[in-house]
Amino acid sequence: SQQGEEDPQALSIQEGENATMNCSYKTSINNLQWYRQNSGRGLVHLILIRSNEREKHSGRLRVTLDTSKKSSSLLITASRAADTASYFCAAMDSNYQLIWGAGTKLIIKP
Amino acid sequence: DAGITQSPRYKITETGRQVTLMCHQTWSHSYMFWYRQDLGHGLRLIYYSAAADITDKGEVPDGYVVSRSKTENFPLTLESATRSQTSVYFCASRLGQGAGEKLFFGSGTQLSVL
Repeated sequence: SQQGEEDPQALSIQEGENATMNCSYKTSINNLQWYRQNSGRGLVHLILIRSNEREKHSGRLRVTLDTSKKSSSLLITASRAADTASYFCAAMDSNYQLIWGAGTKLIIKP
Repeated sequence: DAGITQSPRYKITETGRQVTLMCHQTWSHSYMFWYRQDLGHGLRLIYYSAAADITDKGEVPDGYVVSRSKTENFPLTLESATRSQTSVYFCASRLGQGAGEKLFFGSGTQLSVL
């Protein structure tokens, strides 16, 4: 199974704090994508970073990519209750197939 | 904006029965995918399709059949359901194969095989 890896598996923080999730993969990639899944729902695309990019921002999201270490991180700043969800990374390999991580479950406490 | 819809939302069936999960998208996306999601495994690709009448196996295709006679529909059939196929199934679509393409997901079908 070509699964990526994410850590931590679960993360619980206070509202207003920052949340950081990490993702590692094993192959060469075209890009790395992050998705959010609210409980019982489908996944929603958050942000995509290409293999020639090192950092990307979108609102309160900041993604970094280190292709030498085959790793990426997702930072959510000033967390809100609505950020409670599971977050998945997906690395797009050279065949344009996505290799998914097992996800990080994020809980924002009020 | 419905975009991509799956039906049914929930399904309970018995071992050995045939089950078909439906997926319909309104964007005319070329690519469609079927994933299953199980605890501890993330998403695993079952089958995908690059266009009408073109399908290919993913990571876990055994026990499943797909067809794509029209661009907008991509049904997934479990020919003889087994308990190990109890899972949440997601359909997804993508415009093309470019390196910048993101996936759009349906809301999922929760399937229980008794």
